[in-house]
Amino acid sequence: GAGVSQSPRYKVAKRGQDVALRCDPISGHVSLFWYQQALGQGPEFLTYFQNEAQLDKSGLPSDRFFAERPEGSVSTLKIQRTQQEDSAVYLCASSSSYTEAFFGQGTRLTVV
Amino acid sequence: RKEVEQDPGPFNVPEGATVAFNCTYSNSASQSFFWYRQDCRKEPKLLMSVYSSGNEDGRFTAQLNRASQYISLLIRDSKLSDSATYLCVVIYTMEYGNKLVFGAGTILRVKS
Repeated sequence: GAGVSQSPRYKVAKRGQDVALRCDPISGHVSLFWYQQALGQGPEFLTYFQNEAQLDKSGLPSDRFFAERPEGSVSTLKIQRTQQEDSAVYLCASSSSYTEAFFGQGTRLTVV
Repeated sequence: RKEVEQDPGPFNVPEGATVAFNCTYSNSASQSFFWYRQDCRKEPKLLMSVYSSGNEDGRFTAQLNRASQYISLLIRDSKLSDSATYLCVVIYTMEYGNKLVFGAGTILRVKS
């Protein structure tokens, strides 16, 4: 498809489990962003890639969160030893410049 | 203080009403400004860009006031379908590239 694709759409994890969330951006988009959105809140910035380089990871809430984009296209957000407070929707967006960012449908993570 | 602040609402208005939202930002080096719309359990989607000269798209008008560091969105003749969360987005130019920062969103409910 032509849009940003995220998988899985829904993930239920037991507390302490590791999870990996995938983002397939729009082809050719150099910028890729990850956001965390809690219920009733706006998206909160997690991290930013320009091609394969992770240029800003200031929003990652703890060292349990790790993101990579090894070939400058697909990105994976990994959360180790999940906690209940990690429950949220994780949104990925890609952009070609200072213009519009296109979002995927998100992965809804529920930690039980 | 958050980088981008919005009145969370909710704004409850009747059909046909005119409603306005404001958003303030703290970093005067902000590059670009946008309004995104997010429907319940959906990803954010671009509504319109915001230019210094102001811009209009049908019933929607966006304004930017750089001196006071705020942007606004005016919706005229509200429709039921306008019910959504409206997210203010500011793009900052960092050393490495651009960073999108979202406000928490303003909830609009249009009632018949």
